[in-house]
Amino acid sequence: NAGVTQTPKFRILKIGQSMTLQCTQDMNHNYMYWYRQDPGMGLKLIYYSVGAGITDKGEVPNGYNVSRSTTEDFPLRLELAAPSQTSVYFCASSYAGTGNYEQYFGPGTRLTVT
Amino acid sequence: GDSVTQMEGPVTLSEEAFLTINCTYTATGYPSLFWYVQYPGEGLQLLLKATKADDKGSNKGFEATYRKETTSFHLEKGSVQVSDSAVYFCALSDNQGGKLIFGQGTELSVKP
Repeated sequence: NAGVTQTPKFRILKIGQSMTLQCTQDMNHNYMYWYRQDPGMGLKLIYYSVGAGITDKGEVPNGYNVSRSTTEDFPLRLELAAPSQTSVYFCASSYAGTGNYEQYFGPGTRLTVT
Repeated sequence: GDSVTQMEGPVTLSEEAFLTINCTYTATGYPSLFWYVQYPGEGLQLLLKATKADDKGSNKGFEATYRKETTSFHLEKGSVQVSDSAVYFCALSDNQGGKLIFGQGTELSVKP
């Protein structure tokens, strides 16, 4: 199993541009999450999904959108990028069927908005 | 709301020293508790976990005990190695929707 994969690894955007961060998991996990990590800070939840077709906001959703059309994929869309969105973005997944919410993380996407 | 507070870093130790990283939490229910580790340039990996009071999680020489009376989940290791240099995150899950709430992370640097 590849686990959780994210693309791209790095990206530089200009202010006002848009992009989609890709996330795929091959563990048949029903739950998926997007976090951002700012320097010296913990991770903040942006959006999460409990299954295909179901998404919900986390702690810091403004400026982002998500969709979950399949179990495997959970892309994160940035519209009108702003310097405040400069961060490292992590996708994660978990299987919550047994009440075990251990999350598996991807390697991250480092995004710079200038 | 629920929250996690970790000991501030960075922490610098010599090889074979004893490690403690403090973590306390506030939660209204009965959360599961986790320690995650992040090596330079990588994503987070689960280090250990405990799902109920008095449980002890352990892995790779690291241990942490879920203490409900003190709302704590301190991470310990008897003898650290250079390869343990990383950022350590304490986290809790409210077991509803599987969302994790993270502490701010503690950077550990181990010198030979």
